[in-house]
Amino acid sequence: ILNVEQSPQSLHVQEGDSTNFTCSFPSSNFYALHWYRWETAKSPEALFVMTLNGDEKKKGRISATLNTKEGYSYLYIKGSQPEDSATYLCAFYGNQFYFGTGTSLTVIP
Amino acid sequence: GAGVSQTPSNKVTEKGKYVELRCDPISGHTALYWYRQSLGQGPEFLIYFQGTGAADDSGLPNDRFFAVRPEGSVSTLKIQRTERGDSAVYLCASSPGRNREQFFGPGTRLTVL
Repeated sequence: ILNVEQSPQSLHVQEGDSTNFTCSFPSSNFYALHWYRWETAKSPEALFVMTLNGDEKKKGRISATLNTKEGYSYLYIKGSQPEDSATYLCAFYGNQFYFGTGTSLTVIP
Repeated sequence: GAGVSQTPSNKVTEKGKYVELRCDPISGHTALYWYRQSLGQGPEFLIYFQGTGAADDSGLPNDRFFAVRPEGSVSTLKIQRTERGDSAVYLCASSPGRNREQFFGPGTRLTVL
């Protein structure tokens, strides 16, 4: 079983603040890194699929970077809004998918 | 078009019983994944189908768990002789191909009494 670690485990920010969190994964046998957003009572929803070292992807106020050599990815949210409140999961794809336990984000109005 | 659907949404059973959980993927998606999610944990990989065949079943915890996808579309996860430790949310996801983004169903919450 591989270790895919996410930090922090939970985070509370004020509306309008920018925030970021980390996903750490093994640097060997890397195939892809996925980010998913999971709102309570809904299904996980894909944000990004990243495959190349140095990849940067952006969707609206959310962006992500990837460093496969050192085994980490950052997810950034600019100007957090209450609707950003969710659990953000990363998944490392080597021989199979390994999900982290997620970062639970709460944006306080 | 319709997303991934899973039935039932909730299943309560007694220890020792047999259960079947169904997943209807997005039409045309060749890849299908089953995960199990316990409280406070991220989804745990169980099995991956590419078409009709199980390309990777290394995540199935033991031989009480089995999954099929006979026509390359709908999949059924089967659990024999259920145990209380099998209680979890079972998630299904489909994808247009290996390593493409996955589209998740709403999950089936299984409770074994």
